[in-house]
Amino acid sequence: GNSVTQMEGPVTLSEEAFLTINCTYTATGYPSLFWYVQYPGEGLQLLLKATKADDKGSNKGFEATYRKETTSFHLEKGSVQVSDSAVYFCAPPGNQFYFGTGTSLTVIP
Amino acid sequence: EAGVAQSPRYKIIEKRQSVAFWCNPISGHATLYWYQQILGQGPKLLIQFQNNGVVDDSQLPKDRFSAERLKGVDSTLKIQPAKLEDSAVYLCASSDFYSTDTQYFGPGTRLTVL
Repeated sequence: GNSVTQMEGPVTLSEEAFLTINCTYTATGYPSLFWYVQYPGEGLQLLLKATKADDKGSNKGFEATYRKETTSFHLEKGSVQVSDSAVYFCAPPGNQFYFGTGTSLTVIP
Repeated sequence: EAGVAQSPRYKIIEKRQSVAFWCNPISGHATLYWYQQILGQGPKLLIQFQNNGVVDDSQLPKDRFSAERLKGVDSTLKIQPAKLEDSAVYLCASSDFYSTDTQYFGPGTRLTVL
């Protein structure tokens, strides 16, 4: 079945550092891929998505490219801010209702 | 546009007591979801409604949990009786019928069972 393997946290970065959170998937076919973010005390928000191979999803400075050759959908941001501190979830392809434990990111000034 | 509303935001009860949570989805959203998020884990889907019908309740512990969405709008999730392991944040989400891959989440209800 479809599943993801997401980089474990926690991750601590200084402001303006480069961020990568790895996510690899197994899937039948080429389903849509998603990243969600959960800020402290809030519900999840869809951060970005890609609907087909080689698509790049982007939002709020974050990007992720759907790479079928490496079955990856890594999340990247060139310069993180303190306000990016949150938990990030890579959702299983094709069925975003089953989340993993996520990756906690803390950005320090 | 108003977001998904949930109440209460916090609830503390003793084990074996009953508790109910309320959710009002975004206006016009046909699909409604309840999730359980235990501390340090990702959300787990408990039940999904399409209008007032149940689409998926395979992970709902039906011996103690129940949910309803009688008029296809707001929904109630109930736990009776509560156990210590039910301590979690209960998240409600909704989505448009034609765009179910974009879920909008409420702030959640944090339940503590003592």
